[in-house]
Amino acid sequence: AQKITQTQPGMFVQEKEAVTLDCTYDTSDPSYGLFWYKQPSSGEMIFLIYQGSYDQQNATEGRYSLNFQKARKSANLVISASQLGDSAMYFCAMREVHPRTGDDKIIFGKGTRLHILP
Amino acid sequence: AAGVIQSPRHLIKEKRETATLKCYPIPRHDTVYWYQQGPGQDPQFLISFYEKMQSDKGSIPDRFSAQQFSDYHSELNMSSLELGDSALYFCASSSGLAGLNTQYFGPGTRLTVL
Repeated sequence: AQKITQTQPGMFVQEKEAVTLDCTYDTSDPSYGLFWYKQPSSGEMIFLIYQGSYDQQNATEGRYSLNFQKARKSANLVISASQLGDSAMYFCAMREVHPRTGDDKIIFGKGTRLHILP
Repeated sequence: AAGVIQSPRHLIKEKRETATLKCYPIPRHDTVYWYQQGPGQDPQFLISFYEKMQSDKGSIPDRFSAQQFSDYHSELNMSSLELGDSALYFCASSSGLAGLNTQYFGPGTRLTVL
């Protein structure tokens, strides 16, 4: 079963507007980490923001903020004042470390391709 | 700040050949992860190592093997290459098993199998 769901395969947003990229996740572990990565056409995977499951406050990094709603298992990325350089693929991801086996991996969603229009 | 280093950045191989991808984690990072991202796909977890021991295994084909060395660098060995192995291979590193610290990704190795 898909553990990370990104329901928006593509989005078009006008430059300078704010944009919200949706992400829901599924886990039974109490301890997990949520990430957003940006992947431009060059292929590199750029870390944007991280939210731990026990963090009380929503994470923020410059123009990026993570709207963490734990009860709803959602971790939406908000980009304020979008710029042309924000056009890229955005992946939501979850890291789980199994408390007994130590299994440790990041699981990615299918991604949202964001297009910023001039 | 030092980042994850991967080499080579691009690799072209023929079917049935072998390939070795290398990953040098961020200094003092003890955990290395390998991911495979096919064209238009999300990255898929292959395998991870913590303190030179395999810590988790994903959808890694039997034709692939990997290890982490005493200096914490890791190598992904791929044999009997198939056309479907053409992908972007990412290595990521992090520090510590207990904490859910960020995984930092390398720039990737783009493998093309002809």
